[in-house]
Amino acid sequence: KAGVTQTPRYLIKTRGQQVTLSCSPISGHRSVSWYQQTPGQGLQFLFEYFSETQRNKGNFPGRFSGRQFSNSRSEMNVSTLELGDSALYLCASSLVAGDNNEQFFGPGTRLTVL
Amino acid sequence: AQSVTQLGSHVSVSEGALVLLRCNYSSSVPPYLFWYVQYPNQGLQLLLKYTSAATLVKGINGFEAEFKKSETSFHLTKPSAHMSDAAEYFCAVSYNNNDMRFGAGTRLTVKP
Repeated sequence: KAGVTQTPRYLIKTRGQQVTLSCSPISGHRSVSWYQQTPGQGLQFLFEYFSETQRNKGNFPGRFSGRQFSNSRSEMNVSTLELGDSALYLCASSLVAGDNNEQFFGPGTRLTVL
Repeated sequence: AQSVTQLGSHVSVSEGALVLLRCNYSSSVPPYLFWYVQYPNQGLQLLLKYTSAATLVKGINGFEAEFKKSETSFHLTKPSAHMSDAAEYFCAVSYNNNDMRFGAGTRLTVKP
C-alpha cells in the first residue's frame, strides 16, 4: 500500500506570492492533517480535514487555508508569502478522525521563501 | 492547554549504551501519547503510542516507553543504542481529535 505522498517536495517562492501544496493520503484514509515544522517553532499543527470538512484548526493566520476533496486528497494554500513561512510542511493521514488513530506522515514539502 | 516538554534538545550516547529520551506532559486528563522518529529529509515515523491499555509500551526498533501518571512522564528508552538510531525524536500528545501537539524534539547522536 502506497504511503502518504506530498507534492512538490521542494519549492522556492518570493515574498508576496502564493503557494499550493498537495497531499495524497494512504488509500482508505479519510482524515488529513497539516503541520508546519521550523527550527525555531518546531512542529505546529495547522489544520485537520475529515470528509471534506475542516474539523480542527491551529493558531495560524488566515493566509493559511486548506481544503479536502471527495477522494480525501488535500491541498494547503498560503497566500501573501512571508519570509517566516519558510518551513517543512508535513501532511499526515489517518483512517478516521479523532481518538488515538495513528497518523502516517508524508515526506514533507520544503518551502523556501526568498 | 495540552503540551509536552522534552528535556534535552541533544542527547549523545555511545553505541551499545542505554538510550533515555525524556518527555513530560501537562494534562489534567489522561492523554494519548506518542513517540515519533524523524530521519533527515523525511517525514515522521511512529515508534510507539500509549492509549491506556498498558503503562509499558513496546515499539519498533527495540524502543519502549513507560507511562507514569504520578510523574506525568512518558520517557523513551532503548537498552542498546545502534548507529542507525541517530535521528530526531519527538514526543507528542493528543486527546479525542487529531490535533497533535509535539515537543521540541531531541536529536540523538550515537558515537561509535
